[in-house]
Amino acid sequence: DAGITQSPRYKITETGRQVTLMCHQTWSHSYMFWYRQDLGHGLRLIYYSAAADITDKGEVPDGYVVSRSKTENFPLTLESATRSQTSVYFCASRTGEGYGYTFGSGTRLTVV
Amino acid sequence: GQQVMQIPQYQHVQEGEDFTTYCNSSTTLSNIQWYKQRPGGHPVFLIQLVKSGEVKKQKRLTFQFGEAKKNSSLHITATQTTDVGTYFCAGRRNTGFGQGTTLQVKP
Repeated sequence: DAGITQSPRYKITETGRQVTLMCHQTWSHSYMFWYRQDLGHGLRLIYYSAAADITDKGEVPDGYVVSRSKTENFPLTLESATRSQTSVYFCASRTGEGYGYTFGSGTRLTVV
Repeated sequence: GQQVMQIPQYQHVQEGEDFTTYCNSSTTLSNIQWYKQRPGGHPVFLIQLVKSGEVKKQKRLTFQFGEAKKNSSLHITATQTTDVGTYFCAGRRNTGFGQGTTLQVKP
């Protein structure tokens, strides 16, 4: 799974600050996704992208912004971090419909 | 909300016992995928089922897709401590993971 990399692995930030989580994949997969994982909520989709310059909202998009200017990168920005955004964030990619997701190792974000 | 529901949410078993988790959808699925997430790790793709009534096996794991393609199950025979983790199903295109079933195995 070395082909999808998330950074940083851990991040502590203050309420109100902007923070960007990075995701990079080396396979040229069309689809990329951002999920957050919280106890009791499983994996909830924040945003996804079907191709460069095409993004769409998922289940919980409020407070987040994404961009995808290049196929391999899909950064997630928290415009003004809140404590409720403390979570583990996973980036994932897949080559297309009907194929399995490959997940990154995750970013554990704490907002204080 | 999520379109696939998983039960149970948690399961504790004694090592050697069997374990089953179920995934149910309100709509017909084109396919269903299963993932395993070890504690502290990330979800890892296990398998995909596509055909109605399909059954696939991976060693002690048996995956089934219902005839109506609205439900699926993962059965583990004779659990081992290495089976510990959370098992997720994913069905709806580009979004829908179940909440997962967390399995704990007592040695």
